[in-house]
Amino acid sequence: QQQVKQSPQSLIVQKGGISIINCAYENTAFDYFPWYQQFPGKGPALLIAIRPDVSEKKEGRFTISFNKSAKQFSLHIMDSQPGDSATYFCAAAYSSASKIIFGSGTRLSIRP
Amino acid sequence: SQTIHQWPATLVQPVGSPLSLECTVEGTSNPNLYWYRQAAGRGLQLLFYSVGIGQISSEVPQNLSASRPQDRQFILSSKKLLLSDSGFYLCAWSAGPGGYTFGSGTRLTVV
Repeated sequence: QQQVKQSPQSLIVQKGGISIINCAYENTAFDYFPWYQQFPGKGPALLIAIRPDVSEKKEGRFTISFNKSAKQFSLHIMDSQPGDSATYFCAAAYSSASKIIFGSGTRLSIRP
Repeated sequence: SQTIHQWPATLVQPVGSPLSLECTVEGTSNPNLYWYRQAAGRGLQLLFYSVGIGQISSEVPQNLSASRPQDRQFILSSKKLLLSDSGFYLCAWSAGPGGYTFGSGTRLTVV
């Protein structure tokens, strides 16, 4: 029940295309869903986050879509650029806990 | 502003040697602190977390230990390193659930 399942494991997208990464969770007590971006040799950095009271959040080219009934959320990267090539982690947390649960990560490569 | 420092950046240690990795946070009080390990091309494995001085929660039984001697200091240790301890070690802090800030990591190679 604590797991966050992320797919795909790796993804190759042409420059200018849309990158989509999906995550699913079981624990309905989760109330915070962040996405992290990690470049090689660096620590992950918070990219964008959403709470379950909204179905979508957009920041620039990055959008989180949230489906509470399906217990799924996804990251969409519009007009994908080579600089977006990185590993992306979805995560889930609930307010009473001290830690968050990470997905297994998606290695995204944007081809020029 | 808050900053997190983690060192060293890279480390090569022989099997059986001790380990000490240090992480410090500046600009905040009573942070939650975390140690993660990431194997090459793999996900983030939570090793330890701490919600206060002297309070350590272990997530995975292993050859490592953690200590929090001061409010903003978190130390990862081992008495005798194993080959399987190689990996990318990340320290992180948060003021609450979800808002993690990660350090720049330590690449540990056990030879």
